[in-house]
Amino acid sequence: DAKTTQPPSMDCAEGRAANLPCNHSTISGNEYVYWYRQIHSQGPQYIIHGLKNNETNEMASLIITEDRKSSTLILPHATLRDTAVYYCIVKRLTGGGNKLTFGTGTQLKVEL
Amino acid sequence: KAGVTQTPRYLIKTRGQQVTLSCSPISGHRSVSWYQQTPGQGLQFLFEYFSETQRNKGNFPGRFSGRQFSNSRSEMNVSTLELGDSALYLCASSLGRGLEQYFGPGTRLTVT
Repeated sequence: DAKTTQPPSMDCAEGRAANLPCNHSTISGNEYVYWYRQIHSQGPQYIIHGLKNNETNEMASLIITEDRKSSTLILPHATLRDTAVYYCIVKRLTGGGNKLTFGTGTQLKVEL
Repeated sequence: KAGVTQTPRYLIKTRGQQVTLSCSPISGHRSVSWYQQTPGQGLQFLFEYFSETQRNKGNFPGRFSGRQFSNSRSEMNVSTLELGDSALYLCASSLGRGLEQYFGPGTRLTVT
């Protein structure tokens, strides 16, 4: 699975959009981009995933560049509860099973 | 629908002992994966089970083993515990292989 690069930390004001970048320049054509987050001392939580089209669900939006070498997770109206470590993971949907390779992620701190 | 449950939540063991951790997946989920999380190594994949068969294994010594039962519940066992095995052990379940995973709260193991 391709490797990802994320900034170690980011700050965001409550109510503002949080834009979390991820670089995955070696992504292959059959690899998806997944985002998970982990609130302190809890298990990781699935957020969203996508292949090449932008995706949106009730939690967030995922914007993938046309060349698929990078993506951005957008939390449209961040709240204090969104403070967590966010992990960007690249993996094949099939063939790779369920192995998730977590990097160090981005520590998002949402402040008043 | 109930989430992934893990028992026990906290455990203290002595070096050389063995330990068994349990995971009950979300109802209907057939795939269970295990992860170890430590401050130094982060989140690392241990193994994945689907239909009672180990499908994938991470880079851990043979002291770490697991199994899955016909009702999809899973256990992992660590024998001859070492101090370095102190970690948060997380279980994740999914409907099938390659789909989004849902994590439990974890078992915090302390080896003294």
